[in-house]
Amino acid sequence: AQSVTQLGSHVSVSEGALVLLRCNYSSSVPPYLFWYVQYPNQGLQLLLKYTTGATLVKGINGFEAEFKKSETSFHLTKPSAHRRDAAEYYCAVRGFTGTASKLTFGTGTRLQVTL
Amino acid sequence: DAGVIQSPRHEVTEMGQEVTLRCKPISGHNSLFWYRQTMMRGLELLIYFNNNVPIDDSGMPEDRFSAKMPNASFSTLKIQPSEPRDSAVYFCASSLSGTGNTEAFFGQGTRLTVV
Repeated sequence: AQSVTQLGSHVSVSEGALVLLRCNYSSSVPPYLFWYVQYPNQGLQLLLKYTTGATLVKGINGFEAEFKKSETSFHLTKPSAHRRDAAEYYCAVRGFTGTASKLTFGTGTRLQVTL
Repeated sequence: DAGVIQSPRHEVTEMGQEVTLRCKPISGHNSLFWYRQTMMRGLELLIYFNNNVPIDDSGMPEDRFSAKMPNASFSTLKIQPSEPRDSAVYFCASSLSGTGNTEAFFGQGTRLTVV
């Protein structure tokens, strides 16, 4: 079984401020973790992913996330927010169970960037 | 590749009518997912296929929903009869293999309105 919890359905930051979106996961098998972004009226786009190896992963648009197994977390950060970062962000977990693997999403966090 | 292609982009139908949503995955991908997105429930996994075989349909809300994948390049999600509570955005996504370490690519979605 696997699940994802995103803390905070809405996060508001000022332009230029640090962005921190929280994600905790639960998985009975080694997890593969993803962050997706959704802009209005569009599908989901991959920001970054953790599979194996380096626990700090960098993605597009200046975002990065760190896999912390001891904390079962995969928080998304960006040093300086820009107005174009305003969107819905989803954390997702996928674990291989020997036959196939499904992709389970959290409930999403809406990021608002104010001037 | 053109990405995951969904049709139609918008569908408005009357309660009781049959609705069929279509998806063409990315060529070569062998996992396919159907998701439903609503304000109340967020992004829900309805069903996923691996190598054209349904692996997990536990997310399908009820018998009115059915999904098929007759070949590697086409899938349908059918609702019969449709109800107003089925109004949502339906996303199709595809990915490579079943090992879990690859991301899913999403289509633009079908916005369904049942009146």
